[in-house]
Amino acid sequence: DAGVTQSPTHLIKTRGQQVTLRCSPKSGHDTVSWYQQALGQGPQFIFQYYEEEERQRGNFPDRFSGHQFPNYSSELNVNALLLGDSALYLCASSLSPKISGANVLTFGAGSRLTVL
Amino acid sequence: DQQVKQNSPSLSVQEGRISILNCDYTNSMFDYFLWYKKYPAEGPTFLISISSIKDKNEDGRFTVFLNKSAKHLSLHIVPSQPGDSAVYFCAALVEGYGNKLVFGAGTILRVKS
Repeated sequence: DAGVTQSPTHLIKTRGQQVTLRCSPKSGHDTVSWYQQALGQGPQFIFQYYEEEERQRGNFPDRFSGHQFPNYSSELNVNALLLGDSALYLCASSLSPKISGANVLTFGAGSRLTVL
Repeated sequence: DQQVKQNSPSLSVQEGRISILNCDYTNSMFDYFLWYKKYPAEGPTFLISISSIKDKNEDGRFTVFLNKSAKHLSLHIVPSQPGDSAVYFCAALVEGYGNKLVFGAGTILRVKS
């Protein structure tokens, strides 16, 4: 049973460019959340997608956008990249949008973005 | 505004002894607290959770204690094994639709054999 898969694993971009990261959720999961983990910090919530709509958003600018497809996979897009966008981007999936102690997030290994 | 804090960046423990990882929070509205473990080049994996109405939850070698009055929780690993060496994240959430996990910065645990 494949878990959460993310691509690419590593990528390097320059300031001002745009990037698209991809995520396939765990089999049976229909909700995808994205987190940003900067060096030395814990993951920070970017947004959550369910039924192809953004359901909740963290404190991130509009340069960060996403999409969910009918097969539940998701993309994270970041425009006008800044040096501070360098981080590990984690995708997580769950059985439903209501996360709890019983319905926990399953994380992928992440996409490491470096902005030069 | 750091709602979840892990004040110890690292912890070193001898194999077979107890590991105690600590976490403090400020938001009294949190309904659940979770611990995730992360190995290098892997995503965080869920370890154990506790509801805010409980004060203890145990799963094998792992026990989480919650002190609501102190807004403090701790993860105990007994006995510690070298394979437990990883980064441990404390996380919390307010139950609801479209909710999110709020993470601490993590504690690096090293178990020496």
